[in-house]
Amino acid sequence: GNSVTQMEGPVTLSEEAFLTINCTYTATGYPSLFWYVQYPGEGLQLLLKATKADDKGSNKGFEATYRKETTSFHLEKGSVQVSDSAVYFCALSDPNAGNNRKLIWGLGTSLAVNP
Amino acid sequence: EAQVTQNPRYLITVTGKKLTVTCSQNMNHEYMSWYRQDPGLGLRQIYYSMNVEVTDKGDVPEGYKVSRKEKRNFPLILESPSPNQTSLYFCASSKDRQENQPQHFGDGTRLSIL
Repeated sequence: GNSVTQMEGPVTLSEEAFLTINCTYTATGYPSLFWYVQYPGEGLQLLLKATKADDKGSNKGFEATYRKETTSFHLEKGSVQVSDSAVYFCALSDPNAGNNRKLIWGLGTSLAVNP
Repeated sequence: EAQVTQNPRYLITVTGKKLTVTCSQNMNHEYMSWYRQDPGLGLRQIYYSMNVEVTDKGDVPEGYKVSRKEKRNFPLILESPSPNQTSLYFCASSKDRQENQPQHFGDGTRLSIL
């Protein structure tokens, strides 16, 4: 079946450090891939997406590239800020799921950025 | 402002007392869905709806009901809540059934069933 695996957290970084959060997936067909972010006490917000192989999604300094050959969608940011502290979720949407646009989720990676 | 609104945000109640969590979106989205989020299990889909009067079960529908009488509203009903339904619940919507459409989420409802 389809699944998403994220690196376990928590991840703790100093401000301006480089961030990588690993995400790999298992899926039939060609899913769309997403990163969502959950700030403390808030709902899930779309951070970025990629819909086909070699697409790069980017937003707010974050980037992720859809790598079909390695079935990965790692999230990166060159210089993190304290305001980036949140939980990050990798997810996929299965194009073969019929009418259900269910997202398959990773378990989330908590990021804490210290000043 | 485009948004998905859930109410209440927090609720503590007792076993067996019927409750409804409301969800409303102002984006004229066709597709709506409910998830629950539990530690170590991630987000799991409860029910979804492709359009008015069209609903179907997700992965964990037991103990829940939904309705879609209007396009904007998708309430989640717990007829007889039990402690194992204590969780954080999210409503989501997306423009249509295209799988590359991002889903928009509400801020969540934290339910505690005693």
